[in-house]
Amino acid sequence: DQQVKQNSPSLSVQEGRISILNCDYTNSMFDYFLWYKKYPAEGPTFLISISSIKDKNEDGRFTVFLNKSAKHLSLHIVPSQPGDSAVYFCAASEYGGSQGNLIFGKGTKLSVKP
Amino acid sequence: GAGVSQTPSNKVTEKGKYVELRCDPISGHTALYWYRQSLGQGPEFLIYFQGTGAADDSGLPNDRFFAVRPEGSVSTLKIQRTERGDSAVYLCASSLRPSYNEQFFGPGTRLTVL
Repeated sequence: DQQVKQNSPSLSVQEGRISILNCDYTNSMFDYFLWYKKYPAEGPTFLISISSIKDKNEDGRFTVFLNKSAKHLSLHIVPSQPGDSAVYFCAASEYGGSQGNLIFGKGTKLSVKP
Repeated sequence: GAGVSQTPSNKVTEKGKYVELRCDPISGHTALYWYRQSLGQGPEFLIYFQGTGAADDSGLPNDRFFAVRPEGSVSTLKIQRTERGDSAVYLCASSLRPSYNEQFFGPGTRLTVL
């Protein structure tokens, strides 16, 4: 039973437009959420995070929105660039941002076309 | 400076054999994490070290898996009696202190069990 779900395996967006990646979770005990970006043959790279006490966190072109009542979060990338093409993983923890067990989704492959 | 390194980059073994996977974290990083990523899946947490001790090993799938970090830097993930289902990319990450936001991942070791 997947606790973190990314229902779209892939997404294609035109350069300059907005990319919206979605993530749903089932465990109401999750209190910290992260997004990672992964290029082929490389390890994931931390992108942005959000604590459950917030509903939005912004860092440059990247914004994460959290809707706790819907158990849903999304990553917005504006404007999208070809270099953003990668696999994006959503992850969640019920131990805050510092403990070990982190639950990942299966990922969404984003393609940004020039 | 050097990032997280993992050796070997690829390992092919036969079912039933013993394997060791090595992780060299970034110098000075006290927290070290092991994950496993199977094909088409997101990373799956295995174990987290704070210093020399395993702070959380709840993700280890069974007693064939064991990890050590005897001097608080290099870590070795050991898998006994390998099975075909153990085939995956094994990822290591380190951080200066326990914090997902500050994790740096290595490129992973691709393990193939024939």
